[in-house]
Order: sequence, then C-alpha cells, then structure tokens
Amino acid sequence: EAGVAQSPRYKIIEKRQSVAFWCNPISGHATLYWYQQILGQGPKLLIQFQNNGVVDDSQLPKDRFSAERLKGVDSTLKIQPAKLEDSAVYLCASSLMGSGTEAFFGQGTRLTVV
Amino acid sequence: AQSVAQPEDQVNVAEGNPLTVKCTYSVSGNPYLFWYVQYPNRGLQFLLKYITGDNLVKGSYGFEAEFNKSQTSFHLKKPSALVSDSALYFCAVRDMGFGNNDMRFGAGTRLTVKP
Repeated sequence: EAGVAQSPRYKIIEKRQSVAFWCNPISGHATLYWYQQILGQGPKLLIQFQNNGVVDDSQLPKDRFSAERLKGVDSTLKIQPAKLEDSAVYLCASSLMGSGTEAFFGQGTRLTVV
Repeated sequence: AQSVAQPEDQVNVAEGNPLTVKCTYSVSGNPYLFWYVQYPNRGLQFLLKYITGDNLVKGSYGFEAEFNKSQTSFHLKKPSALVSDSALYFCAVRDMGFGNNDMRFGAGTRLTVKP
C-alpha cells in the first residue's frame, strides 16, 4: 500500500515570496490533515478536511495561509506571503473516517524562509 | 480543549534496560490516545493507540502503553530497549467530548538508547 506522498521535500524561499506544498493521501482515506512542526515542538494542526470539506481550520493563519482539497483527494497548502517564522516542516497526514482511527503521515516538506 | 504533556524532553537508557516515556493528557470527555515515533528527516510513524477496552495496549516494535484514567496518563513502555529505538516520540490525544476532536500532540520526548 502506498503511503502519503508529499512534494517538494525541501524548499528555500525569501520572505514575502509565496510557496505551495502538495499532498496525495492514502487511497480511500477521507480525512486529510496539514500540520506545522516547528523545530523542537510537536506538530500543530493547521487544517483538517473530510473529503473536500473543511472540518477544522481554527489554527490556520488565514491572512497568509490557504489550503484546498479539490475532488476530495489531493490537497495543496499555500503560503503567501511567507514570513521568517513560517520556517518549519509541513506534514500532511490522512486517515479513514472516525475519531478512533490513526493518522498516517507523509515525510514532510522542510520550508526555510530567509 | 484537549491537551497533552510530555514532562521529559529527554530520556536516556542503556540497551537492554526497560524504558518508559511519560505522557499525561487533559480532555473534557473520553480520550482516544496515540503514540507516534519520528526518526530524523522522516514523518511520524504510528506505534499504538488506546480507544477502549484493555488498559494495556500493545503496538509495533515491542512497544506497549498503559492507559490510566485516574492519573490521566498513557505512558509508553518497552521491556528491553534497543539502540535502534533512539528517536523522537510523540503522544497525541483526541477528545471525544463536545467540540472539535482534532488530534493534539505533545512537544515530544527524545529517547536515546546507549550501547
């Protein structure tokens, strides 16, 4: 079974530039998550989708971050414009529906904003 | 809102000795609890979960965890540590009470197993 795919693996941009990350979840997983993991901290949920609808985006900085999951499969997370404090690993995860199900994570995209 | 605390930033054990990585949680309803492991430059890998039933949960790579409702804890354990167990470990919780039930992670505990 293929895992969660993310690209790119690494990205370096200057502040005020824009960047986009892509995620392809495990086939059949209705729930998709984007997490931000700052060095030395645990992952923080940015947004959660159920199929193509947003379940929770309460911690997403909506003035600069946006995400979409068209057709309920792949997802894209965008940052525009980027700030220095956005430097982090962005993790995508997916799971079957149901709160008792575990999430499966991709390898992440390491973003460095200079 | 639900929260998780991992009181130790770092745990050091000798190979062959038992290991414990501590986790306590706070929820308004009933918890779903999870342990994940993260190796360098890798995503998080699922180890085990507690949903309901037996308080002792067994997972991957010989790890187990004990759910203790009275102490609101879910400590990760292994009877005999391996050097290859050295990694970053995260505890996570979902609250099955009212409100959103997103998965909240602790800050992580770095486990180092020395030969």
